[in-house]
Amino acid sequence: DAGVTQSPTHLIKTRGQQVTLRCSPKSGHDTVSWYQQALGQGPQFIFQYYEEEERQRGNFPDRFSGHQFPNYSSELNVNALLLGDSALYLCASSLDRGYTFGSGTRLTVV
Amino acid sequence: LAKTTQPISMDSYEGQEVNITCSHNNIATNDYITWYQQFPSQGPRFIIQGYKTKVTNEVASLFIPADRKSSTLSLPRVSLSDTAVYYCLVGDSGGYQKVTFGTGTKLQVIP
Repeated sequence: DAGVTQSPTHLIKTRGQQVTLRCSPKSGHDTVSWYQQALGQGPQFIFQYYEEEERQRGNFPDRFSGHQFPNYSSELNVNALLLGDSALYLCASSLDRGYTFGSGTRLTVV
Repeated sequence: LAKTTQPISMDSYEGQEVNITCSHNNIATNDYITWYQQFPSQGPRFIIQGYKTKVTNEVASLFIPADRKSSTLSLPRVSLSDTAVYYCLVGDSGGYQKVTFGTGTKLQVIP
């Protein structure tokens, strides 16, 4: 049974560009959450998707947007990249209790 | 959401039992306590979850006193591979709830 799959694993973008990160949830999970983890910090909640709608959102600007597809997979989009957006982006899926995390996408903005 | 407080770091020798305590004074009635483990450049991995008293699984034990204002993660006989950051989280049991991470406890296991 595959866990949470994220792609790509690593990405380098230039400041001002846009990026799309992808997540396939664990089989049977219908809820997807996205987190940003800066070096040495705990993961920070970005937003959560359920039934193709954003259900909750953390303290992130509108440059961060997302989408969930009918098969429960999800995308995270970040526009107008800033150097401070460099981080590990984690996707977590859930159904009931507890989260299953993917290995993340390492985004570097130069 | 209940805020948690954990030690920033801990050191332990291989083979010893390690106890990491987390304070959560404002825990709500329907909140569960969950611990995650994270290795560098990987996503957090679920270790154990509990509501009250004691929970044990194949990798750890979780002790929760009657007032539930703190909890202790116990790792028996740690090895070098247990070197990681450990996060204590408090929230509703539903997997759809927003999960808030603190800074975690960095455990260093020494040979």
